[in-house]
Amino acid sequence: SQQGEEDPQALSIQEGENATMNCSYKTSINNLQWYRQNSGRGLVHLILIRSNEREKHSGRLRVTLDTSKKSSSLLITASRAADTASYFCATDGAYNTDKLIFGTGTRLQVFP
Amino acid sequence: DVKVTQSSRYLVKRTGEKVFLECVQDMDHENMFWYRQDPGLGLRLIYFSYDVKMKEKGDIPEGYSVSREKKERFSLILESASTNQTSMYLCASSLDRQGSYEQYFGPGTRLTVT
Repeated sequence: SQQGEEDPQALSIQEGENATMNCSYKTSINNLQWYRQNSGRGLVHLILIRSNEREKHSGRLRVTLDTSKKSSSLLITASRAADTASYFCATDGAYNTDKLIFGTGTRLQVFP
Repeated sequence: DVKVTQSSRYLVKRTGEKVFLECVQDMDHENMFWYRQDPGLGLRLIYFSYDVKMKEKGDIPEGYSVSREKKERFSLILESASTNQTSMYLCASSLDRQGSYEQYFGPGTRLTVT
């Protein structure tokens, strides 16, 4: 069963612009994570936000979490061509924390 | 630097063959996972293991089995490969069972069953 759904499915922007991706999930969570996947490669962890946090920053990344709406957003500021990748959110379950459930991802294309 | 390796990047097998996908991690992690990734479906968990010789079914275990004889190695087995098992297979590991720990992924194995 899918917990997270990302929106939009695909996003194209120019270098220097900001990119915003959204994730919605269905059940209560303890943590939400964001991952990046370059074409045909494995996933790389970007950031984790806990259910009692509302916002978190890491370099050019800003993640927000709204547990009342069961949604999260990932903002990449001043995007670069190297940010071109697919981005996935992943959630655990409040009552089943053994595994992560990944969404379907947002494909980001950053044009030079 | 942490590392998860998978035995093959690309694999082509025939229908009915027994297929072994190997995954090794060098981080002394307790947890290991096997996912498959298909367009439009994201990552789906096949099996995971939180200790040697332990295994738990994920969301789509049918047609697969796993083996974990050593802590660092987690194998995915397709007993009789079928064309609907053509997919990208990703192995991951994490320090502990809980979702508060990040998962480290291997580069993936793209399996084609003809």
